[in-house]
Amino acid sequence: DQQVKQNSPSLSVQEGRISILNCDYTNSMFDYFLWYKKYPAEGPTFLISISSIKDKNEDGRFTVFLNKSAKHLSLHIVPSQPGDSAVYFCAAHRTSGTYKYIFGTGTRLKVLA
Amino acid sequence: DTGVSQDPRHKITKRGQNVTFRCDPISEHNRLYWYRQTLGQGPEFLTYFQNEAQLEKSRLLSDRFSAERPKGSFSTLEIQRTEQGDSAMYLCASSLDGVLSQYFGPGTRLLVL
Repeated sequence: DQQVKQNSPSLSVQEGRISILNCDYTNSMFDYFLWYKKYPAEGPTFLISISSIKDKNEDGRFTVFLNKSAKHLSLHIVPSQPGDSAVYFCAAHRTSGTYKYIFGTGTRLKVLA
Repeated sequence: DTGVSQDPRHKITKRGQNVTFRCDPISEHNRLYWYRQTLGQGPEFLTYFQNEAQLEKSRLLSDRFSAERPKGSFSTLEIQRTEQGDSAMYLCASSLDGVLSQYFGPGTRLLVL
């Protein structure tokens, strides 16, 4: 069972516009969420995270929104740049009782110049 | 470069052979994770070490897989009697206590013929 889902395998956005990447989860016990970016031939790189006690976290061009009632989070990138082209993974974690992180299947973002 | 390193980066083996991968985490990181990633999927948690203690293992980790972190520094992941289904990217990640984001290595790509 896929507890963390990224239903859009790919997304194309024009440079300078907003990129919105979505992630849904099923387990209400998750209380910490992370986004990672992955370039080819490299391991994932941490981007931004959010605790379930918040509904928004911002870091420069990146903002993550969390809607706990809908079990949904999204990553907004504004403005999008060609260097943002990568695969983005969301991950969910339960901070008590386990050390496991559950990753989604990823969304490939292409920012067109 | 003080990031997470993994060796080898690529491994081709024949079915039934044993393979061993090494991960060197960031030096002060006491938490170490192993993941497996197949095409079109996100990283799947395999196991977690805190210092030298292996505190959690996934059900994915069959008895052909064993991981060690003997001195709380580098870690090894061994797969015995490899099968074609073991072909994947094996990722190692590390972090500090109290930090919920992880630094990933570049991975070891295994191909079992």
